[in-house]
Amino acid sequence: QVQLVESGGGVVQPGGSLRLSCAASGFVFNSVGMQWVRQAPGKGLEWVAFIRYDGSAQHYADSVKGRFTISRDSSRDTLYLQMNSLKAEDTAVYYCAKSRHGPLIDKWGQGILVTVSS
Amino acid sequence: DIQMTQSPSTLSASVGDTVSITCRASQNIHSWLAWHQQKPGRAPKLLIYKASSLESGAPSRFSGTGGGTGFTLTITSLQPDDFATYYCQQYDSYPYSFGQGTKLEIK
Repeated sequence: QVQLVESGGGVVQPGGSLRLSCAASGFVFNSVGMQWVRQAPGKGLEWVAFIRYDGSAQHYADSVKGRFTISRDSSRDTLYLQMNSLKAEDTAVYYCAKSRHGPLIDKWGQGILVTVSS
Repeated sequence: DIQMTQSPSTLSASVGDTVSITCRASQNIHSWLAWHQQKPGRAPKLLIYKASSLESGAPSRFSGTGGGTGFTLTITSLQPDDFATYYCQQYDSYPYSFGQGTKLEIK
């Protein structure tokens, strides 16, 4: 069955960096797009980024454009989110998500908490 | 960017009721709309895709209708497991925005 396991979260100071990883299994990783979605404490879902199945294109929310980079390593079946210049408003649970039919999210990881605080 | 607006924000209902949640898009998204269910402390789960297609494994009491800019999620004969928060999401064009969510509470 599909499994998406996030790692790399934690507490970081404002202006700092963090890299999230998402280990994928149970499907052909290099044939589907992947995404990151986040949820601030007590708030709704916010789409963050998408990467095509072959890594040839990436799209970002305006709130993270220029600071976050989504990437993938098909040799490791792993998705990444490099987060730089972190702000307090980036504090959230970050979900890795598998896509189907292009950008449709059909499976979610369990989520990982990122806290930006001094 | 496409804005997604859900109503109501909160809905109170009883087991056995039929309820509907509405989602409006700020521009035409054709049928590229999904509904996700989220329970407290858990990851969301896909229920409906392409506006009206039921995801494999989702109970048949969930149904979706609509197209263009107006969409509805209907849950018939509410079960205790259905009390959760529901989000619509458009995947017509990036950024693939979500509605603000509808919390379905037990009356």
